[in-house]
Order: sequence, then C-alpha cells, then structure tokens
Amino acid sequence: DVKVTQSSRYLVKRTGEKVFLECVQDMDHENMFWYRQDPGLGLRLIYFSYDVKMKEKGDIPEGYSVSREKKERFSLILESASTNQTSMYLCASRKGTGPYEQYFGPGTRLTVT
Amino acid sequence: DQQVKQNSPSLSVQEGRISILNCDYTNSMFDYFLWYKKYPAEGPTFLISISSIKDKNEDGRFTVFLNKSAKHLSLHIVPSQPGDSAVYFCAASDWNDYKLSFGAGTTVTVRA
Repeated sequence: DVKVTQSSRYLVKRTGEKVFLECVQDMDHENMFWYRQDPGLGLRLIYFSYDVKMKEKGDIPEGYSVSREKKERFSLILESASTNQTSMYLCASRKGTGPYEQYFGPGTRLTVT
Repeated sequence: DQQVKQNSPSLSVQEGRISILNCDYTNSMFDYFLWYKKYPAEGPTFLISISSIKDKNEDGRFTVFLNKSAKHLSLHIVPSQPGDSAVYFCAASDWNDYKLSFGAGTTVTVRA
C-alpha cells in the first residue's frame, strides 16, 4: 500500500511566521503535489514536483514555495504566514505520467492567527 | 475559472437507495476522470476512474458513467450505505498531464 505521511495533523502559527509543512511518500513516486482545500472551492493545486529538485507552479502559488531535495520528500514553505493561508493542506504523490491516480496524505489543518 | 464543476454541494439519500453524483467539465482536452472520497480530517482516497475511450466503469457498488459529447460524468452508488457518508470529489486530467483539476465536492449523507 502506498503511504503518504505529513509531519503534522494540526498546526497553529502566528501571522508573519515562517511555516514548514513536510510530506514523505514511501512508494518511489516521481511526482508529488501540494494542495489546499477550502470549503466550496475543492482542492486547489499550489505546487507540484515531477522529479528531484524540479518544481512547477500550480494554480495558486502566491505566498508559497517548495523544496524537493530527495525523491521521497516534498516540503511546502510559507515564507510569512498570513490569516488567509488558514486552510487544510494536502500532499499527494503519483508515479510517472499517464493514467495513474494520486495518493493523498491525511492533511495538515493550519490555523494562522 | 473552474474547469470541473460539481453543481450540487450536498445530497441526502436513504440507506439502500441509489446515490447519483454529477460532474461537468469544460476542457475538451480532459480524457481521464476520477472520483475521490473524503472523510473529515482525512485525506481523499481514490474511488474509481474512467478514461475517455469508455462510457462506463464499474467497481462493486460504484459505477461511473461518462458522456463525452455533453462533457458530463456521474457516479452511481448502489445501494447506499451509512459508511458512504463523505465528501466526493470529481477530478479530471489530460492523459499525459501531471495535474488533476478538482471540482468543489458534493457532501453525501446517507440516512438510516
């Protein structure tokens, strides 16, 4: 079974803090993704990575950056957290290109006060 | 602009009856479609998929129908069970793309 883990289930940070969200997958997947989920908006793609050290912007990259130094690990960074970044953050991974589903981690509920 | 739309935010159904969830898309390049199920405080889990070369795919109680000319797909759950109460997301992609485009989700409540 594919396992995607995220470093925290719940996180509370103050405005202006730098926030790191970590994601690890154990299936040697090439592709990894970060989404945020907000009510009525579904899942929106923030960034994705198709290989180590490679990254591409998704639909809503503003205010975020990412890092992928190892194949199994993909980090999402909020350089200066703001209240509008309060959300559920979901990491996913997938193998290669083609008709493969993405496997999701359990999510991190981030609250910025 | 959302390319995948789920116009019904919620659905309530009696246990044992059929649940029908609908999804529309606007991008004619989409040729692979998926449904995910999500419980509160958990990540989405893959449920069923269909490629554009088919118009139906079945897996146990779950069947997905695709109408390419109408750019519409639907998920049928028969019979509905209390454990099916969750948020269901429709997603779509180009066969060769990394990315999935998700709908806003439909919350299904199965009444005993």
